[in-house]
Amino acid sequence: AQSVTQPDIHITVSEGASLELRCNYSYGATPYLFWYVQSPGQGLQLLLKYFSGDTLVQGIKGFEAEFKRSQSSFNLRKPSVHWSDAAEYFCASPFNDYKLSFGAGTTVTVRA
Amino acid sequence: EAGVTQFPSHSVIEKGQTVTLRCDPISGHDNLYWYRRVMGKEIKFLLHFVKESKQDESGMPNNRFLAERTGGTYSTLKVQPAELEDSGVYFCASSQAGTRNSPLHFGNGTRLTVT
Repeated sequence: AQSVTQPDIHITVSEGASLELRCNYSYGATPYLFWYVQSPGQGLQLLLKYFSGDTLVQGIKGFEAEFKRSQSSFNLRKPSVHWSDAAEYFCASPFNDYKLSFGAGTTVTVRA
Repeated sequence: EAGVTQFPSHSVIEKGQTVTLRCDPISGHDNLYWYRRVMGKEIKFLLHFVKESKQDESGMPNNRFLAERTGGTYSTLKVQPAELEDSGVYFCASSQAGTRNSPLHFGNGTRLTVT
């Protein structure tokens, strides 16, 4: 079964600066990987997913993630953050076909 | 299309009381899931329905938790009697197919506080 780890609990970034959130996975075969975001008062929203193919995945809200097998990573990036990107971000992978395993989450604070 | 709806959004109850959470999935989604996030911990899977059948309830903490999905539409999650450690955010999600083939659509969650 796959599992994911998010090493950073909290990140503060200035508006307009770039953002990178780390996610490490543990699995032997090609993993399925997701990034979700939870904005204040909202549910979890899927940002992007990786199943196979191109290792650079584009998502919604200007986010992208890169799958690196050599580093067992699937880091989320955004070139220029907006105040509305302040949220909690979760990396996830399927434990099986119907069960998701989530990382602990990274809270992003955006300062003006 | 309407999203996944959960209510109440917040619930504060005393230890020993009963609480029932409700989830209305997206219409046409046969798969319905319950997840929970206890303060400071990861979001954890509780159980999975396909229509009205429980496919996997391996994540249910104990027999104080009872989930139902009568008629394969909305679902309820009852906690009876509630304990302090049950406090957290309970998320419901639905999907058309399995996790690898279709995204999970999550509701806004119900924040449960047991005092």
